Amino acid sequence: DTEVTQTPKHLVMGMTNKKSLKCEQHMGHRAMYWYKQKAKKPPELMFVYSYEKLSINESVPSRFSPECPNSSLLNLHLHALQPEDSALYLCASSQGYDRVEPDTQYFGPGTRLTVL
Amino acid sequence: AQSVTQPDIHITVSEGASLELRCNYSYGATPYLFWYVQSPGQGLQLLLKYFSGDTLVQGIKGFEAEFKRSQSSFNLRKPSVHWSDAAEYFCAVGANQAGTALIFGKGTTLSVSS
Repeated sequence: DTEVTQTPKHLVMGMTNKKSLKCEQHMGHRAMYWYKQKAKKPPELMFVYSYEKLSINESVPSRFSPECPNSSLLNLHLHALQPEDSALYLCASSQGYDRVEPDTQYFGPGTRLTVL
Repeated sequence: AQSVTQPDIHITVSEGASLELRCNYSYGATPYLFWYVQSPGQGLQLLLKYFSGDTLVQGIKGFEAEFKRSQSSFNLRKPSVHWSDAAEYFCAVGANQAGTALIFGKGTTLSVSS
């Protein structure tokens, strides 16, 4: 099973709201990722958690705050977003280490975020 | 610097015809290469991957890809396209280090005509 789940599927929020995106995997993966994808563009990496520690932050604005409560869960807390933050937010996970095969990322279905 | 180029932005293929999507990469070491497919409004689904060994790799949904080191290419093929194959296809290269970013190409949109 290579399933990554994300909730909610759709989210509409105002610029003063606080909301959270949730991602879950039960594959025993130790690396989890947040990507942002605008229409007709490839995904862009935002954050990586490796063994529950933030290992990569691609200079993302502080209005996006990631959290990894345990090895199966990844949250993205949103506050004071701008309309240009509207996008598809994708979560991915990978085993987190190279063994016989390369570390392969598996993606969730995404959360479609609209900021009004 | 690592990069991935997908030369074709949009391709239209008749249903039942063969398909080839092109991908060229630039990477200093032996690359880990991936093809993902994304249906509208959906996440990315892994089609296949290559890291070593046989240069022709088989994936899901009848897709295959061939790694050609001399041409720095990893083209995706399917002998007979179905209408359900219409989607966005991304080629990506991964670093030889776990827990790092995938470098994506800009994607190719596949349309299937009847």
